[in-house]
Amino acid sequence: KQEVTQIPAALSVPEGENLVLNCSFTDSAIYNLQWFRQDPGKGLTSLLLIQSSQREQTSGRLNASLDKSSGRSTLYIAASQPGDSATYLCAVDNFNKFYFGSGTKLNVKP
Amino acid sequence: DTAVSQTPKYLVTQMGNDKSIKCEQNLGHDTMYWYKQDSKKFLKIMFSYNNKELIINETVPNRFSPKSPDKAHLNLHINSLELGDSAVYFCASSPSLGDTGYEQYFGPGTRLTVT
Repeated sequence: KQEVTQIPAALSVPEGENLVLNCSFTDSAIYNLQWFRQDPGKGLTSLLLIQSSQREQTSGRLNASLDKSSGRSTLYIAASQPGDSATYLCAVDNFNKFYFGSGTKLNVKP
Repeated sequence: DTAVSQTPKYLVTQMGNDKSIKCEQNLGHDTMYWYKQDSKKFLKIMFSYNNKELIINETVPNRFSPKSPDKAHLNLHINSLELGDSAVYFCASSPSLGDTGYEQYFGPGTRLTVT
């Protein structure tokens, strides 16, 4: 059964820092991997989707990479801002079954 | 304008009651999902429907019964509510299923509290 782990569970950084969030998964037979952000009391907002055949995707200050063979993905956030404070979740798609990590709670201090 | 909407946003009820949560998407997607997020914020898939057909049914008690009257709607009915059912329930949709996978769009969630 697929297991998804996110490290660290929480991260606090000063504004302007570049940071990396990690996601690992045990079963590499995935269709894709998706990164989400969740604000307190809100639903999930999709940030990036990486297909299994891709190595990375970029959107603005966000860059997500995927190494399927080693079961790892990273989300890189450049020049962090207080508005980036949220919980970041990764999810893997195993044949249309989706497995989520428990998230990294990010706090960007002004 | 809301892409995926859920009602109600909050639901407080007593043990043993039966309740329903409704979900609607206006994105024209074929596939809809129900997820449960527990108190530790862990999200777990419960059901998925594609074109009104049940595709995934995880190990969920049969007190939970999804119903999809059409592609744009997926409702969740829960019988004989228990304390452990307290959680946030999210509805999501995606364009379709397939071997490349598709981006999922989530609703705002329904916070269910069973007392």
